[in-house]
Amino acid sequence: QVQLQQWGAGLLKPSETLSLTCAVYGGSFSGYYWSWIRQPPGKGLEWIGEINYSGSTKYNPSLKSRVTISVDTSKNQFSLKLNSVTAADTALYYCARQGDGFIGDYWGQGTLITVSS
Amino acid sequence: QTVVTQEPSLTVSPGGTVTLTCGSSTGAVTSGYYPNWFQQKPGQAPRALIYSTNNKHSWTPARFSGSLLGGKAALTLSGVQPEDEADYYCLLYYGGAWVFGGGTKLTVL
Repeated sequence: QVQLQQWGAGLLKPSETLSLTCAVYGGSFSGYYWSWIRQPPGKGLEWIGEINYSGSTKYNPSLKSRVTISVDTSKNQFSLKLNSVTAADTALYYCARQGDGFIGDYWGQGTLITVSS
Repeated sequence: QTVVTQEPSLTVSPGGTVTLTCGSSTGAVTSGYYPNWFQQKPGQAPRALIYSTNNKHSWTPARFSGSLLGGKAALTLSGVQPEDEADYYCLLYYGGAWVFGGGTKLTVL
């Protein structure tokens, strides 16, 4: 059974850096891409970016200048950093598994990130 | 900026059939956009229903089906159940980036 468990600091001040990590338990880590997706309160979903086992990344063009996704294959973990956060980055952040033609057959539990001064 | 469009809201009667659509600002949606569909209920993470246009996950109820219809991706619910009331999101692939639609709020009434 595949499980994704994510964690990170939930309250940030404007201009700080958001940092989240997602650990993958069960299943293959190397055979998939791994994504970050967010959802502002009461709004829709937004794909942030993805990474694969070898560290190849793709990012949402609207966030690309502020986003870094990295992978630690020794721990089956991947991480998200989003710098210079503002209130507009307040959202529920999810990690998810991604494969050939699909995203999100497995999801993390979600982490609410609030940006407030 | 690529925009993926969905109906903001739809209403269907229990037992009825409803089709949700997913369009692209770049033109017709084809299988090369690998349309994915998700269901989200209040307070829950999204649940994947359909991938690559018409493929179901192992947990996807048989009443859900995906297709291409009139230049858009489509999700059809046949024999709608009260528990199908939820938000539905489509997702399209643009050769390096994925873009979600704004979501459709489906009311079963």
